[in-house]
Amino acid sequence: QKEVEQDPGPLSVPEGAIVSLNCTYSNSAFQYFMWYRQYSRKGPELLMYTYSSGNKEDGRFTAQVDKSSKYISLFIRDSQPSDSATYLCAMSAFYGQNFVFGPGTRLSVLP
Amino acid sequence: DAMVIQNPRYQVTQFGKPVTLSCSQTLNHNVMYWYQQKSSQAPKLLFHYYDKDFNNEADTPDNFQSRRPNTSFCFLDIRSPGLGDAAMYLCATSKTSGSVRDRDTQYFGPGTRLTVL
Repeated sequence: QKEVEQDPGPLSVPEGAIVSLNCTYSNSAFQYFMWYRQYSRKGPELLMYTYSSGNKEDGRFTAQVDKSSKYISLFIRDSQPSDSATYLCAMSAFYGQNFVFGPGTRLSVLP
Repeated sequence: DAMVIQNPRYQVTQFGKPVTLSCSQTLNHNVMYWYQQKSSQAPKLLFHYYDKDFNNEADTPDNFQSRRPNTSFCFLDIRSPGLGDAAMYLCATSKTSGSVRDRDTQYFGPGTRLTVL
């Protein structure tokens, strides 16, 4: 079993839809959770950061962490074509090091 | 703007011909990472520098070496590239001071796409 699992997609949605992206993980020691967005031929950029369980909202993005289920989600409201990218979840047990990434979900938002 | 810069953006080399990829940062971060990312896969950590301390991942091939001559620069040397080494190589930085969020944020460069002929 991979340490972090993520549906690779591709996921295609119409503009304005609510998008749900998910990761599951096996290491119960993970406590720092991040979502990165990666446009084609670019490096990943940090979107959301969450420590331990709970929800965090930033504009159209909401990150949820359920440590009991070892499940994290990223919701995108009112999705835009500019949201079309690959979304990578990443997590670590210890701050600053030993990040583990999921393989990414490729999202296409169709105008 | 403070940033992570990678050069070149695209590198073509021949099978077995050594190649060096470079990364520089103006963020003054003390940790620098090199990742290998193949198509539709997660970035795979090759090694990282925690200040001057080099940390190699157990499954990083010996063919990959790294140098960090100072805080701002880090190099990835591939001694004898094989066809399987064709990938995007990402440099990232982070710091071990500041808020928890600050410490956990990795800043990535745009990557160098390596082609091996």
